[in-house]
Amino acid sequence: AQTVTQSQPEMSVQEAETVTLSCTYDTSESNYYLFWYKQPPSRQMILVIRQEAYKQQNATENRFSVNFQKAAKSFSLKISDSQLGDTAMYFCAFIKNRDDKIIFGKGTRLHILP
Amino acid sequence: NAGVMQNPRHLVRRRGQEARLRCSPMKGHSHVYWYRQLPEEGLKFMVYLQKENIIDESGMPKERFSAEFPKEGPSILRIQQVVRGDSAAYFCASSSGTGVNSPLHFGNGTRLTVT
Repeated sequence: AQTVTQSQPEMSVQEAETVTLSCTYDTSESNYYLFWYKQPPSRQMILVIRQEAYKQQNATENRFSVNFQKAAKSFSLKISDSQLGDTAMYFCAFIKNRDDKIIFGKGTRLHILP
Repeated sequence: NAGVMQNPRHLVRRRGQEARLRCSPMKGHSHVYWYRQLPEEGLKFMVYLQKENIIDESGMPKERFSAEFPKEGPSILRIQQVVRGDSAAYFCASSSGTGVNSPLHFGNGTRLTVT
């Protein structure tokens, strides 16, 4: 069975700093996809970034980038120049290729301090 | 182009009552997923439906929980005889197909509180 582990329950950083959120996963699959979702206090689930396992290049979306280490089964999220609006829960998630279920980690609560 | 609509946003039920949670998928989406989020936890898959069919209910409790997605109208997640442990946020997501080329779009969730 696939599992997703986020070892940092909560983090705080000053505005404009860079922060890295950790995620590890366990799977025997070779093809899969990884995601980071953001959940602000409004509870909406917002897709931040996604990574295909077969791609070696790390995905980037503006201030958000990932460090994907397939052999280590690690998928960390880096937020550069953090902003107050980045305050949210962040969930790492996994989906097998062709599978329907996304598996979520327990989340990291990120506070951006003014 | 409305997103995934869930209602009610908040629902309070006494123990033993029934809870009905509604989800209208995005226009053109025929795949609906329900997830449950317990406090300080990630989302846990419950059930996946296509129009009039349950495709995967492996995450659904065997008793008291049921889901439907009729040909017309929203998808309904029904919880009978609610207990305090059912208190959670329930999220609906929809997609136009399966797999990662059809990303999930989430609603804002229904927070169920059982008193």
